[in-house]
Amino acid sequence: QKEVEQDPGPLSVPEGAIVSLNCTYSNSAFQYFMWYRQYSRKGPELLMYTYSSGNKEDGRFTAQVDKSSKYISLFIRDSQPSDSATYLCALSRGSNYQLIWGAGTKLIIKP
Amino acid sequence: DSGVTQTPKHLITATGQRVTLRCSPRSGDLSVYWYQQSLDQGLQFLIQYYNGEERAKGNILERFSAQQFPDLHSELNLSSLELGDSALYFCASSPETVPEKLFFGSGTQLSVL
Repeated sequence: QKEVEQDPGPLSVPEGAIVSLNCTYSNSAFQYFMWYRQYSRKGPELLMYTYSSGNKEDGRFTAQVDKSSKYISLFIRDSQPSDSATYLCALSRGSNYQLIWGAGTKLIIKP
Repeated sequence: DSGVTQTPKHLITATGQRVTLRCSPRSGDLSVYWYQQSLDQGLQFLIQYYNGEERAKGNILERFSAQQFPDLHSELNLSSLELGDSALYFCASSPETVPEKLFFGSGTQLSVL
């Protein structure tokens, strides 16, 4: 079983919809939870960074961590065609550990 | 712009050859990471350097090696190249204060023919 599971998609939604992207994990030792956005053939870009449980909001993006369920989510409100990209979750146990990456979910926003 | 610079952007070479990929981290970042991403594959961690010293190794082949120089730039050397080594190679750096935050370069696309 992989440490982090993420549905590769693709997930196709109409412009303006609310998008929900998710990852599940198995190791309760993870403390840091990140979402990266990767446009085709470009380097991943850090979108959201969360420590421990709870919600964090940044503009149209909300990251949610539920440590009891070992489940993290990224919500995108008022989705735009420019949001079309692959979204990767990344988890860390701390500074002495490498990030564990999800496979990435390909998101397509249809105009 | 992440502040991480990778050169070259594209490399085309033949099997059996050797290439060097270069990375300059963000100003002030001491850690450099190398990742490989094959077509439709996830990010595979190769190796991490911190202030000139190897800190962690991932799925790096013996044909691959890396180093970090005193000015903190890093090089990834790939030798005896095989067709399967064709991939995007990313370098990332992270700040001391929040080492979990990785900032990626734009990558080097390696094509082995």
